[in-house]
Amino acid sequence: EVLLVQSGTEVKKPGESLRISCKASGYVFSDYWINWVRQMPGKGLEWMGRIDPADSHTNYSPSFQGHVTLSFDKSTTTAYLQWGSLKASDTAIYYCARSYCLNAVCQYSLDFWGQGTLVTVSS
Amino acid sequence: DIQMIQSPSSLSASVGDRVTITCRASQGITTWLAWYQQKPEKPPRSLISGASTLQGGVPSRFSGSGSGTDFTLTISNLQPEDFATYYCQQYNTYPPTFGGGTKVEIK
Repeated sequence: EVLLVQSGTEVKKPGESLRISCKASGYVFSDYWINWVRQMPGKGLEWMGRIDPADSHTNYSPSFQGHVTLSFDKSTTTAYLQWGSLKASDTAIYYCARSYCLNAVCQYSLDFWGQGTLVTVSS
Repeated sequence: DIQMIQSPSSLSASVGDRVTITCRASQGITTWLAWYQQKPEKPPRSLISGASTLQGGVPSRFSGSGSGTDFTLTISNLQPEDFATYYCQQYNTYPPTFGGGTKVEIK
C-alpha cells in the first residue's frame, strides 16, 4: 500500500525556520517524483514544486522559488519542505503528493497524497 | 501560467442527481487534465487523469471528458459520500495549475 505520512502541526513565529517531512512507503522511493502543494485557509490548491529522488532534480513554481527548498533522504525514504524565514502568509496546510509515473516517465498529475501538515505562522 | 477556470464555483444537488462540473483552460492542454476530490479536513484524492481515465478504486459513476480547452467531470447518480469540493488541474504546461474548485453541496 502506497503511503505518504507527513509530520505534525507546527506553530512558528515570523522569521523562524522550519522543515516539514513526508515519509513514503509501499513503493520504490526513487521511481516517483514528490510534489508539494499549498492550501491556504479556505482556499484552493497551489503547486509549489517537485523533487526527483532519482537524480535530486528540482523544479519550483515561480511563486515559491527562492522562498522554499525541497530535499530528501533516500535512506529513510523521506522528502522535506523547508523555509529559511517564515512569513505570516505561509500559514497554510502543506501536502506532499506523488507524481503519476509510467515506464520511468513522470507527470505532474498526482496519484497519492499525504494527510497534510498545518503550519501556522503568527507573532 | 495557464489559468484553469471552473464553473460553477458551487452547486446544490440531491442524492441521485446527475452533476456536471466544467473546467476551461486558458490555452490548449490536449488531454493533460486531472480531477481531484477533497472532503473537509481531508487531503485531495485523485479521481481522473488524462481527462477521462479513472484512477483505481474510483466508482464508475464518475466520468471525465474533453480535450483542448474544455473539460467536464460528471457524477451520475450522486451519492452522499460525493458531497465535496472538486478541483481540476492541468499538467500539459509547466507549472501545473489548479482550478479554483467547485463545491458540491446537499440540496
